[in-house]
Amino acid sequence: DAGITQSPRHKVTETGTPVTLRCHQTENHRYMYWYRQDPGHGLRLIHYSYGVKDTDKGEVSDGYSVSRSKTEDFLLTLESATSSQTSVYFCAIRPGDRETYGYTFGSGTRLTVV
Amino acid sequence: AQTVTQSQPEMSVQEAETVTLSCTYDTSESDYYLFWYKQPPSRQMILVIRQEAYKQQNATENRFSVNFQKAAKSFSLKISDSQLGDAAMYFCAYRPRGGTSYGKLTFGQGTILTVHP
Repeated sequence: DAGITQSPRHKVTETGTPVTLRCHQTENHRYMYWYRQDPGHGLRLIHYSYGVKDTDKGEVSDGYSVSRSKTEDFLLTLESATSSQTSVYFCAIRPGDRETYGYTFGSGTRLTVV
Repeated sequence: AQTVTQSQPEMSVQEAETVTLSCTYDTSESDYYLFWYKQPPSRQMILVIRQEAYKQQNATENRFSVNFQKAAKSFSLKISDSQLGDAAMYFCAYRPRGGTSYGKLTFGQGTILTVHP
């Protein structure tokens, strides 16, 4: 979708290695989110940000950290990847301050931990 | 904590027929938003329809409409004249309005919709 990109799109990594996923937006939105999608669970919130250097935990934050040093970039780091972190990861932004708007999602990153 | 439940893991419909996907939610908030998202095999998340809880009128978007029952905390999606392109995973989502929610969405488990020609 226009204005938000995730990288990489696919990644295979080994257990115990650190991994960083990147979310980049071009529209200067304040709110950004990281979700993971797993069968039977839908999308679950990992971390979110409400401004530069302002972040907080979601419901499944264990084993993950985030950073937001610039408005446009929101990074998700798996400190030491485990097989349970094999998932599809989505970044999302909340457009503007008009609360009735939906959200814009990135195309997702499929991460496999072997 | 808010929860969203989609009790139908899979649904199927014949092309041109109507299908209804169910969603229930649990919240103590009185003002909130509800959404239906579509996820085709491309993985893209596409907003289908949204509903503001303070509006009694059910939202409609072309062939898509909702049945919003606030007292029952139910938010079903009706797809009329189903098309092959409607085949996808559908997610129901909730978020409270304002306050300290920071706009966090809570999703249901998803329903896979198959459309038969």
